[in-house]
Amino acid sequence: EADIYQTPRYLVIGTGKKITLECSQTMGHDKMYWYQQDPGMELHLIHYSYGVNSTEKGDLSSESTVSRIRTEHFPLTLESARPSHTSQYLCASRGTGGTEAFFGQGTRLTVV
Amino acid sequence: AQSVTQLDSQVPVFEEAPVELRCNYSSSVSVYLFWYVQYPNQGLQLLLKYLSGSTLVESINGFEAEFNKSQTSFHLRKPSVHISDTAEYFCAVSDRGGSYIPTFGRGTSLIVHP
Repeated sequence: EADIYQTPRYLVIGTGKKITLECSQTMGHDKMYWYQQDPGMELHLIHYSYGVNSTEKGDLSSESTVSRIRTEHFPLTLESARPSHTSQYLCASRGTGGTEAFFGQGTRLTVV
Repeated sequence: AQSVTQLDSQVPVFEEAPVELRCNYSSSVSVYLFWYVQYPNQGLQLLLKYLSGSTLVESINGFEAEFNKSQTSFHLRKPSVHISDTAEYFCAVSDRGGSYIPTFGRGTSLIVHP
């Protein structure tokens, strides 16, 4: 069973606030990903990492930033939340030599 | 670059009926193919995958998918669905070398009616 955790599961926050969505995995996977999911749309890749100190932007333009200081931890930060950031955010990881990604349960973010 | 097209956004079906969820992909390189399932308020879980070898792959709960290279398709089928199969199903591809970044389709909502 995959061990990848996202906190919080649900978050309602006011416009302009800074927030950090947490993602941790205990599988020692080197590759980690953040996707944004909206109803009826593809999962959009917003950030990914190949390992410690490696971060890249994905296909979807995002105002968020990420860091990868430890293998197991890949937090996503929004410096100033806006209503357009309202979405579900999914974190995933994949190990070297592995083929499929393992997903956390997601964080549903609402910015009011 | 790869892309995935799931032709049906929603598939309603009655319990015990067969179902097919369609997936087509495009890629300039060889790919791995996946189906994931997402239950309400959950993340995605791997349902089955095609890596190589037999083009027909099966899951433990009765789903199967067939890789068709000439049609660039990876349709998901189940001969008899249950209420508990109601969920969102995502088709995905990732390249066999290089980035290994999965690309997902829009998802198909399978709704099983009693």
